[in-house]
Amino acid sequence: QKEVEQNSGPLSVPEGAIASLNCTYSDRGSQSFFWYRQYSGKSPELIMSIYSNGDKEDGRFTAQLNKASQYVSLLIRDSQPSDSATYLCAVNTGTASKLTFGTGTRLQVTL
Amino acid sequence: EAQVTQNPRYLITVTGKKLTVTCSQNMNHEYMSWYRQDPGLGLRQIYYSMNVEVTDKGDVPEGYKVSRKEKRNFPLILESPSPNQTSLYFCASTGLAGGYNEQFFGPGTRLTVL
Repeated sequence: QKEVEQNSGPLSVPEGAIASLNCTYSDRGSQSFFWYRQYSGKSPELIMSIYSNGDKEDGRFTAQLNKASQYVSLLIRDSQPSDSATYLCAVNTGTASKLTFGTGTRLQVTL
Repeated sequence: EAQVTQNPRYLITVTGKKLTVTCSQNMNHEYMSWYRQDPGLGLRQIYYSMNVEVTDKGDVPEGYKVSRKEKRNFPLILESPSPNQTSLYFCASTGLAGGYNEQFFGPGTRLTVL
């Protein structure tokens, strides 16, 4: 079983809609969770971090964490074509600074 | 500006020719790491460093070496590159933000080994 799992997509949503990206993880001891956005050929860019159960909102982005279900999600409201990218879920496992990444979900926002 | 830099950004080389990819950060972070990214496999950690002179293997260390003689620099060394090391490489630096570690990536180095 992979430690961090994401649906590879592509997830296609129309402009203005809500995009919902999901991630599950296997290590119950994980303490911190991150979402990165990566455009093709570019480096991952940190867009959200969440550390406690519940929702965390930042602009059009909302991260949701449910530690009991080992599930973390990212909602993007009012999706824009510029949101089209691969979204990587990362979980802090093992040593204090080691991140384990999912393989990413490709999001396509259509006009 | 806080940043992680890598050089070179693109490199084409031949099998067996030693190369070094440099990485530098200006955020005074203690933890640094190297990843490779391959289609379908995601980001995989090669090596990491907790501090100066402290390094350890990640998930895919074979064929790579690292050193950490200064806090800001963490070079990746391929002593005898092979075609299966053709990949996109990222250096990352981790620092505390709000009491938790957040990781920031360099721009990447695309390596092709012929």
